[in-house]
Amino acid sequence: GENVEQHPSTLSVQEGDSAVIKCTYSDSASNYFPWYKQELGKRPQLIIDIRSNVGEKKDQRIAVTLNKTAKHFSLHITETQPEDSAVYFCAAPTGSGNTGKLIFGQGTTLQVKP
Amino acid sequence: SAVISQKPSRDICQRGTSLTIQCQVDSQVTMMFWYRQQPGQSLTLIATANQGSEATYESGFVIDKFPISRPNLTFSTLTVSNMSPEDSSIYLCSAPLLAGGRNEQFFGPGTRLTVL
Repeated sequence: GENVEQHPSTLSVQEGDSAVIKCTYSDSASNYFPWYKQELGKRPQLIIDIRSNVGEKKDQRIAVTLNKTAKHFSLHITETQPEDSAVYFCAAPTGSGNTGKLIFGQGTTLQVKP
Repeated sequence: SAVISQKPSRDICQRGTSLTIQCQVDSQVTMMFWYRQQPGQSLTLIATANQGSEATYESGFVIDKFPISRPNLTFSTLTVSNMSPEDSSIYLCSAPLLAGGRNEQFFGPGTRLTVL
């Protein structure tokens, strides 16, 4: 089955700096890679995802890159703000690569210092 | 936008008892999923709740401990049986739902369980 590794476990940056979180996956058949943000006491919420037919996707200050050959994908947050402070999880699908059954990385606690 | 709700939002239970968590989706979905999130940890998939057939459990999770029902395409329950303090966790249901023309995995708000 799929295995997802996420690094770093914690990340502290100054407001305005960039943050990068990296994940690797094991199943070369996986074709969908979402990123979730979980604020304290709240449910995980999808912030961006990428499918294997593209190498990069951007949404305002957030971008995700995918390297299928190396089986890793990364989340990039630019111009970080204090409200970006949260736990971020990467995920990858198991089995046939649909978007339903997800295996999550260990999570990265991002702290943005004002 | 689609909504997933859970009941109860939290509970404190005595060891040896059982708790049933309900998950309601406001649209019909083929699959629903149950996850566990232990304090400060990531989400671990417990099982897939299939409508019309038995749930499919992940390694380390068994039906006797976590029986699941899926009576229709919008509802599922997860029971945590014969609880021990190690079962203290947040339990979340999820389902792939259409958003912006694509399927995305949405989560319920979670049920925070404390076992004494």
